Amino acid sequence: EPEVTQTPSHQVTQMGQEVILRCVPISNHLYFYWYRQILGQKVEFLVSFYNNEISEKSEIFDDQFSVERPDGSNFTLKIRSTKLEDSAMYFCASSETYQGNSPLHFGNGTRLTVT
Amino acid sequence: ELKVEQNPLFLSMQEGKNYTIYCNYSTTSDRLYWYRQDPGKSLESLFVLLSNGAVKQEGRLMASLDTKARLSTLHITAAVHDLSATYFCAVDGFKAAGNKLTFGGGTRVLVKP
Repeated sequence: EPEVTQTPSHQVTQMGQEVILRCVPISNHLYFYWYRQILGQKVEFLVSFYNNEISEKSEIFDDQFSVERPDGSNFTLKIRSTKLEDSAMYFCASSETYQGNSPLHFGNGTRLTVT
Repeated sequence: ELKVEQNPLFLSMQEGKNYTIYCNYSTTSDRLYWYRQDPGKSLESLFVLLSNGAVKQEGRLMASLDTKARLSTLHITAAVHDLSATYFCAVDGFKAAGNKLTFGGGTRVLVKP
């Protein structure tokens, strides 16, 4: 079964550094998402992306965050200047459509640790 | 703002017994999803519920949706150890382009022999 792949699985960075988290969504999917989960807490929506632009973003997704689909396969999340509170598991997801019967398929996540 | 509440937060189950997890949400939506997460792993889609009265079953798990009560339940029949995981419900904010899921806090299930 096709799956969403994310790299790296674990990223350690120092506060103030830039990080790029990478995702390869399922190939025929058109909608892409980033969610995050701080350890032991609920999963939170960050951003949705369709047709090469952001369709919606949450309050968490401030100017320090950006997303890009640089080519036909990758979808990236960049954090420009990381803060300690950015430490979390970041999940990429994709869906075929935005219709309800097209559930989100999540990747295995990137654990970001900011020291 | 859409709020999704799950209870209980933690459920210790005995093998062979039945249990129910509840998911309440605050605003109208007819798109509700259940996911399973094993420790350190991703979110696995279990059920998609798209209409009032929808009921889906897979093995020992059954999910239902009551949109009027804004309530979904996940029922576990005759629990077994490999059902130990955290279960999340998520409600779609229903925007025109793209799904924005609001997740409940999760129910951590531990099935003991």
